Amino acid sequence: SSELTQDPAVSVALGQTVRITCQGDSLRTFYASWYQQKPGQAPVLVIYDKNNRRSGIPDRFSGSSSGNTASLTITGAQAEDEADYYCNSRDSNTNHVFGSGTKVTVL
Amino acid sequence: QVQLQESGPGLVKPSETLSLTCTVSGGSISTYFWSWIRLPAGKGLEWIGRIYTTGSTNYNPSLKSRVTMSVDSSKNQFSLELNSITAADTAMYYCAREVREVLSGYYYYYIDVWGKGTTVTVSS
Repeated sequence: SSELTQDPAVSVALGQTVRITCQGDSLRTFYASWYQQKPGQAPVLVIYDKNNRRSGIPDRFSGSSSGNTASLTITGAQAEDEADYYCNSRDSNTNHVFGSGTKVTVL
Repeated sequence: QVQLQESGPGLVKPSETLSLTCTVSGGSISTYFWSWIRLPAGKGLEWIGRIYTTGSTNYNPSLKSRVTMSVDSSKNQFSLELNSITAADTAMYYCAREVREVLSGYYYYYIDVWGKGTTVTVSS
């Protein structure tokens, strides 16, 4: 199955670290990327190739993967990091598969 | 800097066909992949499909029977048609550019430019 599962919501205190996870069988084979979407805006690519930051993305964002789980970590979360985060990978036919999305609240 | 702009009707009747066009400005449509993604209210992102400038397509298996994409390089535009529309197709629709990389022997596609999105409501 190419389905990707994320926790619906997580919260983090300002300046603390939060990890957002994404689970799916396809992640044992394929890398994950991560998109950030703020209300009323189009998504933005944050991490690709498992742990490459898109140009302009702060280095507090990092990606990792182990087994069937990919993770996006925000180290030292800022108020502007409050957003929905979607993991993304591919299926065996190169079709995109998006995770269910995680809403991150910065307290 | 490449910019994308979606255009099309904001209201579509059930059972009709949704037609959207994306105009690419600030760069050529050639040598890239172009896609459509939607975001239903209260739900997550759903990839609809992609088209290359040769006309080659990949569609989301769950929508494949209802989707047609086309490209017009002379106008720097690409289009989406989704037929047999229902209320479940109500969403924000984004057009986007994809870049392709090869990693560990596999093709990966990343969406690096997005349009602002256009809201489509299905209602009679």
